[in-house]
Amino acid sequence: GAVVSQHPSWVICKSGTSVKIECRSLDFQATTMFWYRQFPKQSLMLMATSNEGSKATYEQGVEKDKFLINHASLTLSTLTVTSAHPEDSSFYICSAGGLRGYTFGSGTRLTVV
Amino acid sequence: AQSVTQLDSQVPVFEEAPVELRCNYSSSVSVYLFWYVQYPNQGLQLLLKYLSGSTLVKGINGFEAEFNKSQTSFHLRKPSVHISDTAEYFCAVSEARDDKIIFGKGTRLHILP
Repeated sequence: GAVVSQHPSWVICKSGTSVKIECRSLDFQATTMFWYRQFPKQSLMLMATSNEGSKATYEQGVEKDKFLINHASLTLSTLTVTSAHPEDSSFYICSAGGLRGYTFGSGTRLTVV
Repeated sequence: AQSVTQLDSQVPVFEEAPVELRCNYSSSVSVYLFWYVQYPNQGLQLLLKYLSGSTLVKGINGFEAEFNKSQTSFHLRKPSVHISDTAEYFCAVSEARDDKIIFGKGTRLHILP
């Protein structure tokens, strides 16, 4: 079945630094990937839709200059949290696949100290 | 825009008892519906999905859900729960013309011994 690999699974960074999270579709090509954010004990909130070869589409209220998304190939999308602050600490999850079956990555827990 | 309401934030149930997790949705167009399970500190796993056809959908781990268009519901059921079913369950919706998934707030299933 479809597999989506997400790395790293957890990361701790200092306030003011940037962190890159990778999302790879291992056995299929994904023209579209989605990035979600989940605060503790809350639901997943869609942040943006990542489109291969074009700019990402951000949901309302998501700062595109802070959360940089790059989808340079059909198997890789990256989310970079720039100038991270403690309030950016969260669980970030990517997904790919579409209506035949969305597959989610295992998530990245980001802690900014 | 589509939305999902999960009526119960927590559901306690005794082991081997039946359970129903409720989900209602709203959308101006036809929808695709999903149930996902999330174990602690992990990503999401698809339990089942409704795309079209039979309104009774069977999924993994003995779960099933019924799509009721008139009541705009997609409740999840299992006839006999096990301690390993302890997790967070998310109902989600996607509109036919748009691939992004919108999640409900989740229902935490507590299995009591």
